[in-house]
Amino acid sequence: AQSVSQHNHHVILSEAASLELGCNYSYGGTVNLFWYVQYPGQHLQLLLKYFSGDPLVKGIKGFEAEFIKSKFSFNLRKPSVQWSDTAEYFCAVAGGYQKVTFGTGTKLQVIP
Amino acid sequence: DGGITQSPKYLFRKEGQNVTLSCEQNLNHDAMYWYRQDPGQGLRLIYYSQIVNDFQKGDIAEGYSVSREKKESFPLTVTSAQKNPTAFYLCASTPGQRQETQYFGPGTRLLVL
Repeated sequence: AQSVSQHNHHVILSEAASLELGCNYSYGGTVNLFWYVQYPGQHLQLLLKYFSGDPLVKGIKGFEAEFIKSKFSFNLRKPSVQWSDTAEYFCAVAGGYQKVTFGTGTKLQVIP
Repeated sequence: DGGITQSPKYLFRKEGQNVTLSCEQNLNHDAMYWYRQDPGQGLRLIYYSQIVNDFQKGDIAEGYSVSREKKESFPLTVTSAQKNPTAFYLCASTPGQRQETQYFGPGTRLLVL
């Protein structure tokens, strides 16, 4: 069975600081990987995804993530966060033809 | 605008009562899903349906029931057998396969009186 681990449950950063949120998964075969974001009071929405090809994927609002197959990781990064990035971030994995499994989420709080 | 609507936004359940959460989509998506979101536990799959008149149990189906009589509708009933129903419930859809990008509704928060 596949699983996803998000190591950071709550992250507090000042504006302009760099962000890296960890995501590790367990599945032995081909995977589709996702980061979703839930801004306060808004729908959960896709931030970025990796299906195949270039392991460095870029998403909305300056976010990017790198798929490192050897480390089973798909960490989310942003060079300089803004107050508007305050949200909860979920990593998700779908291995083979299995359903999507979500991580437990990371709450990011950006202090102006 | 295409999207997913969920109603009501807040729902209160009394002891021993069944309640039904509505989910409607106009995206013409084949597959629909129900998740439960609890603090610190992420999203857990309750039920999903990949085609009309067919649905499958997810990881935490006990105490819940669904129907899929129309492509655009996937209501979830929280039965009295669900002993801990207080949570945020999210409906989602994908064009076809489960591995695709999911589109989410705004959610329904269920509270027990």
